[in-house]
Amino acid sequence: AQKITQTQPGMFVQEKEAVTLDCTYDTSDPSYGLFWYKQPSSGEMIFLIYQGSYDQQNATEGRYSLNFQKARKSANLVISASQLGDSAMYFCAMREDYSGGGADGLTFGKGTHLIIQP
Amino acid sequence: GAVVSQHPSWVICKSGTSVKIECRSLDFQATTMFWYRQFPKQSLMLMATSNEGSKATYEQGVEKDKFLINHASLTLSTLTVTSAHPEDSSFYICSARTVVVNDEQFFGPGTRLTVL
Repeated sequence: AQKITQTQPGMFVQEKEAVTLDCTYDTSDPSYGLFWYKQPSSGEMIFLIYQGSYDQQNATEGRYSLNFQKARKSANLVISASQLGDSAMYFCAMREDYSGGGADGLTFGKGTHLIIQP
Repeated sequence: GAVVSQHPSWVICKSGTSVKIECRSLDFQATTMFWYRQFPKQSLMLMATSNEGSKATYEQGVEKDKFLINHASLTLSTLTVTSAHPEDSSFYICSARTVVVNDEQFFGPGTRLTVL
């Protein structure tokens, strides 16, 4: 079974609209971390937001917020007021603190290609 | 924020040669660095975890004799692709972990390897 599932291979969104990128995860670890990264065409991985499994509140970072629903094992990324520069690949990733591979290495989903249209 | 550099940013080599990729944490010490590989239009896959002063931990299916990892200092890890073949052509990305903020991993800009 996949540990991180991103069901939207691609999305087209109108500029200034809000967009939600889906991410569900699968782990039996009680402690884990969830990350979202943005990868533009240049290839660099840009950290967007982090949510710890024990965090009571949803994480927010500027225009980014993470809709964390622990019981459903989902960690959707919400981008408010989308901009043309938001066009990129977006990856959801998880760090499992006990059983994760490679001592805290991240497991990535397959990504969502987001295109913002003017 | 923490900065991680990689060198070279891209390399083209002939089949059978070895290629070394450097990953440096520029403004922080990283006891742990990670190496990922990304094939075109695919996700990042963890290859190995590099700990300063000890042997790297490889993920299942990654050949340790082919992908040599050395983490000689708290700011430098190297990945050497030995006897590279065309199927090794990929985007190699390193990251360095800092516990300063949320155990965040900072990624390098990546190295694009093309083996002819």
